[in-house]
Amino acid sequence: EVQLVESGGGLVQPGGSLRLSCAASGFTFNNYEMNWVRQAPGKGLEWVSYISSSGSTIYYADSVKGRFTISRDNVKNSLYLQMNSLRAEDTAVYYCARARGSTSCYHDYWGQGTLVTVSS
Amino acid sequence: EIVMTQSPATLSVSPGERATLSCRASQSVSSHLAWYQQKPGRAPRLLIYDASIRATGIPARFSGSGSGTEFTLTISSLQSEDFAVYYCQQYDNWPQTFGQGTKVEIK
Repeated sequence: EVQLVESGGGLVQPGGSLRLSCAASGFTFNNYEMNWVRQAPGKGLEWVSYISSSGSTIYYADSVKGRFTISRDNVKNSLYLQMNSLRAEDTAVYYCARARGSTSCYHDYWGQGTLVTVSS
Repeated sequence: EIVMTQSPATLSVSPGERATLSCRASQSVSSHLAWYQQKPGRAPRLLIYDASIRATGIPARFSGSGSGTEFTLTISSLQSEDFAVYYCQQYDNWPQTFGQGTKVEIK
């Protein structure tokens, strides 16, 4: 059974940093591309970042470019999101999601999400 | 960036009735369109990809159609567990983008 379990969310002050983790199991992690997708309270879904299976190709949404860094450890079957210079508008539930597709990608499995709250 | 527009924002349907949800792209996305279902406090669940292919384990009452810029998700006979928010997503181009969602509520 495919499982994605996020952790690392919490309350952080504006300008602060947080590192999210996503532990993957039930599939061969190093064969799959991965994404982070977020959802602000009461709002829709917003793609945040993508990483290829090897980690050699990375994309970011303009809203987080230069502040967030995606990475992965294929030995530990884990995905990460380092978030710096956090703003109030980064407050959201952050989901890791497994990517499929040959152009951009859709998401066939999602974690349960971890809540990040940016507030003073 | 491709803008995805869903309509209506809210759809009120009685159990057993048919629901038709629409999604429009600001430019052609070919058939690179997915649909997700999300219930309160839960992660999204993939229903349809490549515009019309049901994901693993998705009941046959869910069907998707369309290509280019106009897409439809049809739920043939609404069950109680189908009342939720539905999102479309294009993955033809980066950045991948989502619609704003359609809430299907009990009439």
